[in-house]
Amino acid sequence: DAGVTQSPTHLIKTRGQQVTLRCSPISGHKSVSWYQQVLGQGPQFIFQYYEKEERGRGNFPDRFSARQFPNYSSELNVNALLLGDSALYLCASSLEWGFAYEQYFGPGTRLTVT
Amino acid sequence: LAKTTQPISMDSYEGQEVNITCSHNNIATNDYITWYQQFPSQGPRFIIQGYKTKVTNEVASLFIPADRKSSTLSLPRVSLSDTAVYYCLVSASDGQNFVFGPGTRLSVLP
Repeated sequence: DAGVTQSPTHLIKTRGQQVTLRCSPISGHKSVSWYQQVLGQGPQFIFQYYEKEERGRGNFPDRFSARQFPNYSSELNVNALLLGDSALYLCASSLEWGFAYEQYFGPGTRLTVT
Repeated sequence: LAKTTQPISMDSYEGQEVNITCSHNNIATNDYITWYQQFPSQGPRFIIQGYKTKVTNEVASLFIPADRKSSTLSLPRVSLSDTAVYYCLVSASDGQNFVFGPGTRLSVLP
């Protein structure tokens, strides 16, 4: 079975631009979470979606938004990019909502903002 | 949210048993303890999860004392490929957040 897939793998954007990152969960998984990982730090939780509804939100500004589609795939949008948004963006899927279920992480999208 | 504290780094040699301890003094009654492993340029990978006492799977053991204020991840007979960052997380099953700390950077030497 395919694991969590993310696209694109790498992305370079300019300050002020907008970016959309995509994630396809493992087949049968209903929950998708997004994380930001800055070099040298642990992943920071951004959002969790379950059955197309937002179920959790980390401490990120409103420039960050996400959605989940009927097929359980998800998009993360970041508007008005700042240099500090440069990071590895990770998507994780799990069978159900909540963190008692094992999270399966994708390889991430490396975003560079110049 | 229960905060976790882990050693920043550890060194070990191939074939040794490695124990990484995580402190979580403010753990709540409905919190679970989960450990993840991360290699460079990859997403974290689930290792083990527990609530109390001892949990063992094919790759690790997790020891949780009765007061649950700490936990210890035990990796038996490590190899060079176990060099990675190990994260301890504490979260309620219905929690709305999942907090990774800085993790423990384990270096396995030949």
